[in-house]
Amino acid sequence: QTVVTQEPSLTVSPGGTVTLTCASSTGAVTSGFSPNWFQQKPGQTPRALIYSTSNRHSWTPARFTGSLLGGKAALTLSGVQPEDEADYYCLLYYGGAQNWVFGGGTKLTVL
Amino acid sequence: QITLKESGPTLVKPTQTLTLTCTFSGFSLTTGVGVGWIRQPPGKALEWLALIFWDADQRYSPALKSRLTITKNTSKSQVVLTMTNMDPVDTATYFCVYSPGYYGSGSWKHWGQGTLVTVSS
Repeated sequence: QTVVTQEPSLTVSPGGTVTLTCASSTGAVTSGFSPNWFQQKPGQTPRALIYSTSNRHSWTPARFTGSLLGGKAALTLSGVQPEDEADYYCLLYYGGAQNWVFGGGTKLTVL
Repeated sequence: QITLKESGPTLVKPTQTLTLTCTFSGFSLTTGVGVGWIRQPPGKALEWLALIFWDADQRYSPALKSRLTITKNTSKSQVVLTMTNMDPVDTATYFCVYSPGYYGSGSWKHWGQGTLVTVSS
């Protein structure tokens, strides 16, 4: 059973910078896992932020940056805004029988 | 404008089969496009379920593969997910998602509003 692990919760101050990570139980995350990141605010549908590691969608603010960091996929928020408070999920592609697996999500608090 | 809308029963009994339909507009299931299903139990994380590509290639979560079937009707712009032997733990909001991009490079770009399915006798 493949497990994708994210920090359960993080807290950041307004205007600050925070990095969320996404690790795979199979080893290092590479670009081949085509990491996707999603934001979900309470009571709302998830919204796609980043695809294929570092590509922003047209609606994704520039303060959201996707990357690979220390064998993990990472989402860095710079100049955090109060409206960035949300749950963030990563999605990794394994191919074969595993296909796609979500991480457990990170609850980001802006305080 | 791309839209997706899920439809199906809101309540099913244990052991019954769930059939959900995703009706979409603003795109066609043509080369390089997939439509998938993702669910989220109340207060819990997202779970990837299944995806069908433009060429009818089907992909499933290994944990649920034996219970899932995903099909498409290109002329009706619909994708259908069936899940057999429903259990209360399958209570969740089920989302239909448009994912352009070849195979693993899918971007899971547009989501339907989701439909809450409750499993209870």
